[in-house]
Amino acid sequence: EGQLVESGGGLVQPGGSLRLSCAASGFTFSNCAMSWVRQAPGRGLEWVSAISGSGLITYYADSVKGRFTISRDNFNSMLYLQMNSLRAEDAALYYCARGYSGSWYDAFDIWGQGAMVTVSS
Amino acid sequence: EIVLTQSPGTLSLSPGERATLSCRASQSVSSSSLAWYQQKPGQAPRLLIYGASNRATGIPDRFSGSGSGTDFTLTINRLEPEDFAVYSCQRLRTFGQGTKVEIK
Repeated sequence: EGQLVESGGGLVQPGGSLRLSCAASGFTFSNCAMSWVRQAPGRGLEWVSAISGSGLITYYADSVKGRFTISRDNFNSMLYLQMNSLRAEDAALYYCARGYSGSWYDAFDIWGQGAMVTVSS
Repeated sequence: EIVLTQSPGTLSLSPGERATLSCRASQSVSSSSLAWYQQKPGQAPRLLIYGASNRATGIPDRFSGSGSGTDFTLTINRLEPEDFAVYSCQRLRTFGQGTKVEIK
């Protein structure tokens, strides 16, 4: 069916940087658009960024544009999110998710377990 | 930007009852891009419905989705104990704020 496993979360000071990773297995990773979706404690889901299967096309939420960079390594089936200039409002559980049936974000059918990012001094 | 508004915020029901959850879009949207998710505490979201009315793989038939335009509904017939959770709708990059279905 497929599996996603995030890593790289942690505590970072405001203005700091963090890189999240997502290891994919069980499906043809390079065929799939992938997204990062976050969820602040007690809040709803918020889409953050997406990348095409080839890695050539990327999209970002306005709230992270210019600070976050999504990338992928199709050879190793890895997805990344480089987060710079972190703010308190970026604190959340970050999920990687697969676009369903070749779509970008018509639906997300596979989710990781999440990586927690805490931004605090 | 299209906003998705879910109602009610919380639904208190007993096992065996029917749950009816609403997701309203601020403007008309294509049904092909409307999805529903279930999320339990400490777990990732689980895709239930895509394309407004299609059940995802392995989803029991007591879950059904319907609607078009601006109004979409998730119906859960005969609530099972494991169905008490938070349900969210999604249209492309936008998620609703969620409806919590709790045990009455």
